[in-house]
Amino acid sequence: TQLLEQSPQFLSIQEGENLTVYCNSSSVFSSLQWYRQEPGEGPVLLVTVVTGGEVKKLKRLTFQFGDARKDSSLHITAAQPGDTGLYLCAVTSGTYKYIFGTGTRLKVLA
Amino acid sequence: NAGVTQTPKFQVLKTGQSMTLQCAQDMNHEYMSWYRQDPGMGLRLIHYSVGAGITDQGEVPNGYNVSRSTTEDFPLRLLSAAPSQTSVYFCASRRGTGSGNTEAFFGQGTRLTVV
Repeated sequence: TQLLEQSPQFLSIQEGENLTVYCNSSSVFSSLQWYRQEPGEGPVLLVTVVTGGEVKKLKRLTFQFGDARKDSSLHITAAQPGDTGLYLCAVTSGTYKYIFGTGTRLKVLA
Repeated sequence: NAGVTQTPKFQVLKTGQSMTLQCAQDMNHEYMSWYRQDPGMGLRLIHYSVGAGITDQGEVPNGYNVSRSTTEDFPLRLLSAAPSQTSVYFCASRRGTGSGNTEAFFGQGTRLTVV
């Protein structure tokens, strides 16, 4: 059983479309991170959300932390081919374990 | 700035062989971790360390050993490789656990194939 379930697993859309991906858990977390991974590279941090209900924006990307701090969403407006990649959420489980979600693989077609 | 360096980038092993994946970081981070990445599985934690001399098991530790003799290095050992260990392995380091310290910095990965 995965601590962090992400959906959808795969997403293929046309350039200019909007999309939302989700990261869900039954546990409460003090913070949650979103990463993007491009082929052949390690993941790179996009954002950290800390407060329940918090919304953060990074250009066309909008991140929200659920009110109960159990889930999060990532919304991309007007997707571009450069947004293509694997999107991963991550949390600290217990005191030290740093756990990643199952990932959403996004492909944006020109 | 080197960050996190993993070697080798690619490796092919025969079943039963042993090898060590190397990981070094130059950011003086206390926390280091090894993950494996398989299709559709995201990143799964193998082992982690919270400082020199301190290691613990993650989600999928079987078949792997680690040690942490210095802050900089965190090698991952496969004692007897199996085809199920074919995967891409990532090493990561973090400064700490508070919300301002949780960013993980990754190496470029080691693609391991066991035949």
